[in-house]
Amino acid sequence: AQSVTQLGSHVSVSEGALVLLRCNYSSSVPPYLFWYVQYPNQGLQLLLKYTSAATLVKGINGFEAEFKKSETSFHLTKPSAHMSDAAEYFCAVSGYYGKLTFGQGTILTVHP
Amino acid sequence: DSGVTQTPKHLITATGQRVTLRCSPRSGDLSVYWYQQSLDQGLQFLIQYYNGEERAKGNILERFSAQQFPDLHSELNLSSLELGDSALYFCASSDRGGGEQFFGPGTRLTVL
Repeated sequence: AQSVTQLGSHVSVSEGALVLLRCNYSSSVPPYLFWYVQYPNQGLQLLLKYTSAATLVKGINGFEAEFKKSETSFHLTKPSAHMSDAAEYFCAVSGYYGKLTFGQGTILTVHP
Repeated sequence: DSGVTQTPKHLITATGQRVTLRCSPRSGDLSVYWYQQSLDQGLQFLIQYYNGEERAKGNILERFSAQQFPDLHSELNLSSLELGDSALYFCASSDRGGGEQFFGPGTRLTVL
């Protein structure tokens, strides 16, 4: 069985500050890991993915994530938050045939 | 635009009714996934089809069924609707089982 835990349902940062969204996973097989972003009233957009190549993964919009097997973590970071980053972020792990198991989501608020 | 289309965008119906949600995958994608997003349960995998055949099943109720047609579009049928079925239903597609999934904009179902 696979599971994902996102620590913190709400994260608030100031514009220009570091963004850190936490994700821990559980998987009985080598995982594929993903971060998706959802803007209000829209679908999910893939930010980045880990598929067992480089452990530091760079995505769109300046986001990156580091796969740490020893910590079973895949935290999402961005050095400098922008107002347009305000959205809900989902970490997901891929199982057999690619079905995604999602975390509960983290709502990111960016203050001016 | 992910290339995945879903219709209708919004659906309002009454308890006990039956509805059909439609999904057209990206051109060339063989795999279609259905997910439900609700405040109570978060994002949950329902079912996957690959090239017309059911590949994986998640927490899909017996009142719900799906199929994928020869032209690869998919339909999710929800019957005997209950208030708790109100949710956003997403379709995603990938070129193969396990590949990156591209999400449609979703269908918002409201059961009154």
